[in-house]
Amino acid sequence: DTEVTQTPKHLVMGMTNKKSLKCEQHMGHRAMYWYKQKAKKPPELMFVYSYEKLSINESVPSRFSPECPNSSLLNLHLHALQPEDSALYLCASSQEGLGGYTFGSGTRLTVV
Amino acid sequence: EDQVTQSPEALRLQEGESSSLNCSYTVSGLRGLFWYRQDPGKGPEFLFTLYSAGEEKEKERLKATLTKKESFLHITAPKPEDSATYLCAAFRIDRGSTLGRLYFGRGTQLTVWP
Repeated sequence: DTEVTQTPKHLVMGMTNKKSLKCEQHMGHRAMYWYKQKAKKPPELMFVYSYEKLSINESVPSRFSPECPNSSLLNLHLHALQPEDSALYLCASSQEGLGGYTFGSGTRLTVV
Repeated sequence: EDQVTQSPEALRLQEGESSSLNCSYTVSGLRGLFWYRQDPGKGPEFLFTLYSAGEEKEKERLKATLTKKESFLHITAPKPEDSATYLCAAFRIDRGSTLGRLYFGRGTQLTVWP
């Protein structure tokens, strides 16, 4: 069982829809991350939350909006996405300052 | 410029045929070198962390080693279930921050056939 849980596993949405991706961890990690991964490419960092505050935003378009309600939860709100946003979205967590990231299984997003 | 390069891009092995995957890096202030295994459509699964040159770690048929410029993932007598993409990532702390980030290579896609 993965220690970082992502829901849903699959999501198909239209370009006018609003949806949210959810991520939960119970390892006591204080840093949480969103990555985007296209087929046959490495994961690309999108956002980093540290102690529930947004610390790094890798110039991601505003149609992606992260939220960290508490130290265990991380959401990614999606609005007016484009077909090129279709990808595997990965959540990860770690102890701050250490590289031992634990990744979730990902959400496969398809924008139609 | 911080960079992580993996080779080969793809590797096909017959079951039992040992080989090595390479990860070379140019990352200033490296704090750790990570190896992950990723199956199609799944998140990366942690394998090893290496912190200093000369360090080695083993897990079943896998052994990871680290030098000052590169890391190797040795696969001994692989089985078909070892087929996956193996990702290497260098971890560095951002200047003036307590946060770090992973710099991923593009991965080696390993196929082991019976």
